[in-house]
Amino acid sequence: GDSVTQMEGPVTLSEEAFLTINCTYTATGYPSLFWYVQYPGEGLQLLLKATKADDKGSNKGFEATYRKETTSFHLEKGSVQVSDSAVYFCARVNSGYSTLTFGKGTMLLVSP
Amino acid sequence: GAGVSQTPSNKVTEKGKYVELRCDPISGHTALYWYRQSLGQGPEFLIYFQGTGAADDSGLPNDRFFAVRPEGSVSTLKIQRTERGDSAVYLCASSQPPGTANTGELFFGEGSRLTVL
Repeated sequence: GDSVTQMEGPVTLSEEAFLTINCTYTATGYPSLFWYVQYPGEGLQLLLKATKADDKGSNKGFEATYRKETTSFHLEKGSVQVSDSAVYFCARVNSGYSTLTFGKGTMLLVSP
Repeated sequence: GAGVSQTPSNKVTEKGKYVELRCDPISGHTALYWYRQSLGQGPEFLIYFQGTGAADDSGLPNDRFFAVRPEGSVSTLKIQRTERGDSAVYLCASSQPPGTANTGELFFGEGSRLTVL
């Protein structure tokens, strides 16, 4: 079935460090892929998306590239800030194209 | 308000009781979703409405769980004979209809935290 696998957290970084959070998905079709973020005390919100192979989604300095060959959608940021501390969820549209399947989430903790 | 609104934000109940959780989606969003998030896990799909009808209820864990959306706007998730394992945060999201360019762009509420003692 449709599934998403993320690296386990927490990921602990110092401010201005480089961030990578790995995400892979099951290769049923060519689903749209997403990163959602949940800041402390807030609801999930869309961070970025990519709808086809080789697309790069970007927002707020975060980027992720849709890699069909490796079925991956890794999240990257060149220089993290304390305000980026949150839980990040990778997700894919399911094979019915109507709902999302989420990964388990990766907590990011950034210290000054 | 402009966002998805969920009530109550917290609900504590006893095992065996009946619970209702309410979701008020963004105006104009015809698609509405319920997810459940347990501690340390990602959101787990429960049910999806397109308009008034449940287009996909394959995620409901058993027949104690039921959801309605009678007028195509507000939705209520109903849990009968609650069990301790039902304790989780129940998330509601709304969106434009799937099949548009915004497929997968869900707008989430802050959730209803259910604790079953």
